[in-house]
Amino acid sequence: KNQVEQSPQSLIILEGKNCTLQCNYTVSPFSNLRWYKQDTGRGPVSLTIMTFSENTKSNGRYTATLDADTKQSSLHITASQLSDSASYICVVSVEWNKAAGNKLTFGGGTRVLVKP
Amino acid sequence: DSGVTQTPKHLITATGQRVTLRCSPRSGDLSVYWYQQSLDQGLQFLIQYYNGEERAKGNILERFSAQQFPDLHSELNLSSLELGDSALYFCASSPSQIMNTEAFFGQGTRLTVV
Repeated sequence: KNQVEQSPQSLIILEGKNCTLQCNYTVSPFSNLRWYKQDTGRGPVSLTIMTFSENTKSNGRYTATLDADTKQSSLHITASQLSDSASYICVVSVEWNKAAGNKLTFGGGTRVLVKP
Repeated sequence: DSGVTQTPKHLITATGQRVTLRCSPRSGDLSVYWYQQSLDQGLQFLIQYYNGEERAKGNILERFSAQQFPDLHSELNLSSLELGDSALYFCASSPSQIMNTEAFFGQGTRLTVV
């Protein structure tokens, strides 16, 4: 079972509408949680990074929330645009060990398609 | 542009062959990470180097190896290639071995094994 679970796997929304993506994780000890946007065939690009003490962080039309108690995060996309069509990946950073630093555990991603 | 450069962008090779993928990290970044992304799969961590030394290993096969050179560029060597090795291989870099800092990804190398 993946330690970082994302839902839904895929999502189709109309341009201008809002949507929310979910991320549940079981990995520990938690260091930080990141949301990445990955266009097809391209490298992931970071949207937000949240540490344990942060509940919400915004980056333009993207707003991420974190509940470290329930180990849940969400990414809300407001007023979607065609360019938001991509995979959104939740990544949890775990403190691996002092020598190696942190380890990133990736969720499987949610594929978002924005239609005109 | 993330500042991380990967070459080549595309690679097609036959089973049993050996290939080398190259990554140049962002200027000043000491850590390099390699990831594999198979079709419709999530990113799988392979290996991390920090300032020339191996720091962490993930799900890397014994047929695969990597190194980081004094100029901090890194190479991922894949040998005895199998059809299942076809994937996108990403490199990421960050300033520190502690990954609370931002990690920037390259555009990837698409490997096709035929």
